[in-house]
Parts: sequence; C-alpha cells; structure tokens
Amino acid sequence: DAGVTQSPTHLIKTRGQQVTLRCSPKSGHDTVSWYQQALGQGPQFIFQYYEEEERQRGNFPDRFSGHQFPNYSSELNVNALLLGDSALYLCASSPRPETGELFFGEGSRLTVL
Amino acid sequence: AQSVTQPDIHITVSEGASLELRCNYSYGATPYLFWYVQSPGQGLQLLLKYFSGDTLVQGIKGFEAEFKRSQSSFNLRKPSVHWSDAAEYFCAVGARGGYQKVTFGTGTKLQVIP
Repeated sequence: DAGVTQSPTHLIKTRGQQVTLRCSPKSGHDTVSWYQQALGQGPQFIFQYYEEEERQRGNFPDRFSGHQFPNYSSELNVNALLLGDSALYLCASSPRPETGELFFGEGSRLTVL
Repeated sequence: AQSVTQPDIHITVSEGASLELRCNYSYGATPYLFWYVQSPGQGLQLLLKYFSGDTLVQGIKGFEAEFKRSQSSFNLRKPSVHWSDAAEYFCAVGARGGYQKVTFGTGTKLQVIP
C-alpha cells in the first residue's frame, strides 16, 4: 500500500521564479492538505482540497495556489518566489475531509536563492 | 481560532526514563487532538489521536496521551524511553465537523542520552 508520495524531494529556485510541487495521496484517500514547515517551526496550514475544490485556506497570500485532479492527486504552485518561501512543503492526505487525521509525505525541500 | 502551545522547545531524558511532553490547546469546544512525530528530514507520522470517549488514548510505539478538558491539555507520555524515540514531537488540534484546518504547535525536540 503506497503512502503519500511527493515530488521533487529537493529543488533550488531563485527569487521571482515559480515552482510547482506534486503530491499523490495514500490509496483510498480523497482529501489533500498542504503545509509549509520553515526550519525549526511547526507545519503551517496552506490549504485543503476535496472534490477538486479548495475547501479551507490558511493565512497565505494568493501567490500560493493549488489544484486537485480527478485521481485525487494535487499540485501546489508558488509564484514570484521570495527568500522567505524557503521551507519544507508537506503534503498530507486524509480518508475524509472532516477527520483531521493526516498522513504525510516526506516533503519537498525548497530553497530560494 | 484554534491554537496549540508546546511550552518545552527541547527536552533531554535518559534512556529508560519516563517522558512527558506538554501540550495546551485553545478552542471553544472539545476539539480533535493529535500527536505527531517527525524524524530528521522526514515527514510527520501520527502517534495517536483523540476524537471522543476515553480520555486516555493509546498510540503506537508505546505512547499514550491524556485529554484533560479542565486544563485544556493533551500531554504525551511514555513510561520508558528508547534511543530511537529521539525526534521532534508535534501536538495538533482540529475543529469538530466541517473541512479540517489542523493547527500544529511549534514542536518539542526530544534528545535521548544513554
């Protein structure tokens, strides 16, 4: 049973560029949430997708956007990258959107230079 | 808005000693409560969860946590720590019902010494 998979695992971008991160949820899960974890901090909620729509959003600017596909996989897009966007981006899936029980991938480490 | 406080940034215990990690939450009603563990460079793994019922919750790897409504706390415990328990531990809270926005604390880093 494959767990949550994320790609790429590491990437380096420069300020002003755009990045797309990808996530495949655990088998049987239809809900995907994205979190940003800065060094030494706890994960910060970005947004949650269910039935291909954004259902909840944290306190992140519109530069952060996402998408969920019919097969439940998801993308996180960040435009106009800032140095402060450097972080570990975690994808988590859930069997239902209301449980809060999250299964995490190992993350995508983004470095912005 | 919900929030979580983990007052201990770093804790050091000896292998075989008992462990208690503190967590206090802020939420208007009884929330969903979680503990996650993160090893270096890894994602987070769910240790245990509280939804309702018995306030003492058992989890994986010998961990347990107790929900105390009067103290708004959900402390994590383990009677005997193993060197492999060294990691960062996060307490998290979710609202009941509706689409979830799980909020995490800032974490407690556990060091285990021989």
